[in-house]
Amino acid sequence: NAGVTQTPKFRILKIGQSMTLQCTQDMNHNYMYWYRQDPGMGLKLIYYSVGAGITDKGEVPNGYNVSRSTTEDFPLRLELAAPSQTSVYFCASSYSKNTGASTDTQYFGPGTRLTVL
Amino acid sequence: DQQVKQNSPSLSVQEGRISILNCDYTNSMFDYFLWYKKYPAEGPTFLISISSIKDKNEDGRFTVFLNKSAKHLSLHIVPSQPGDSAVYFCAASFLLGYSGAGSYQLTFGKGTKLSVIP
Repeated sequence: NAGVTQTPKFRILKIGQSMTLQCTQDMNHNYMYWYRQDPGMGLKLIYYSVGAGITDKGEVPNGYNVSRSTTEDFPLRLELAAPSQTSVYFCASSYSKNTGASTDTQYFGPGTRLTVL
Repeated sequence: DQQVKQNSPSLSVQEGRISILNCDYTNSMFDYFLWYKKYPAEGPTFLISISSIKDKNEDGRFTVFLNKSAKHLSLHIVPSQPGDSAVYFCAASFLLGYSGAGSYQLTFGKGTKLSVIP
């Protein structure tokens, strides 16, 4: 079981370039998330998905787009990269039983360190 | 505004002693609290959690205490071991409520770096 995998591990972009951060989970989790962690800060939610074809914005969605065509994959797209997007990006997944009072544990990938120059 | 605060950026503890990591929150709607542990170059891993209907949850060497009136929780590690050296994040959650399904957006604190000295 690989869990949550993310590629690439590191990337340097020039201002205005675009890229896609890949995230795959093999735990058949229905919920997936993208977070960013800036230096000395906690993680902030960018986007999340509750199932294939369904996505919604988190706390800091500007400058990003996501799609969820399969249960396993949840790519994060950066269009027109800016220095403010320099951060470590974490993908996570969880399984929700849809019982309302959820206590789902989120499982995180190892992260992608992105620098925009 | 920061809804989950970890006011101690770092903590050093001698091996075998107790480590106490603190966390305060401001949003009274939070109903579930978690601690995550993070090693360098890795993603956070879930450590322990507590529901707002409880005031204590224990798992081996790790115990989380919740004081709802003070909006404060703490993580106790006893005894502390060198392998516990990591950054510990406190996180809080509330129901997203998407189509009645249950899941949680996690709001994280900035983290506390724990160093356990052999």
